[in-house]
Amino acid sequence: AQKITQTQPGMFVQEKEAVTLDCTYDTSDQSYGLFWYKQPSSGEMIFLIYQGSYDEQNATEGRYSLNFQKARKSANLVISASQLGDSAMYFCAMRNTGGFKTIFGAGTRLFVKA
Amino acid sequence: EAQVTQNPRYLITVTGKKLTVTCSQNMNHEYMSWYRQDPGLGLRQIYYSMNVEVTDKGDVPEGYKVSRKEKRNFPLILESPSPNQTSLYFCASSPYYEQYFGPGTRLTVT
Repeated sequence: AQKITQTQPGMFVQEKEAVTLDCTYDTSDQSYGLFWYKQPSSGEMIFLIYQGSYDEQNATEGRYSLNFQKARKSANLVISASQLGDSAMYFCAMRNTGGFKTIFGAGTRLFVKA
Repeated sequence: EAQVTQNPRYLITVTGKKLTVTCSQNMNHEYMSWYRQDPGLGLRQIYYSMNVEVTDKGDVPEGYKVSRKEKRNFPLILESPSPNQTSLYFCASSPYYEQYFGPGTRLTVT
């Protein structure tokens, strides 16, 4: 069965420092996509970054990068130069590319300190 | 403005009273999906649709129905709501990869 594990329920980071949010996954599919979403305290879900299982390079979107280690089945999110507005809940998700069934992890709550 | 809309945003109802949560997107996306969010569990997919008249079960479909008669609309139907369906519900649409989420519907079943 497919599974996403986020082992850090909560994390603190100092403003302007980098932070890594962990995500490990389990799937028997060869072709899949990995996603990160942000949920601020206002409640909306915001797409951050996508990594395909066959992509050779790690995905980057501005201050967000995805550290993809396929053999270890990990897809960690790295946020560089943290800002106060980065305080939010972050969810890792996976979808098999043959369909649209999607599973999410339980999330990591990030607190950015001034 | 490109968006996914859900109605109602908040709903308090009683056990067994049928309800429908509407979802509409104006981005011409093929894919649409419903999720519920519960504390400590993240988001769990209820149903998804890959096109008009094509729907499939997610991880937690019991107690829910959906239909996709038009590309833009994907309503979620609770025929006989129960208290364990109290949750925050999100509708999402997708061109293929990333999903665009609606604002959420907070449902309380007493």
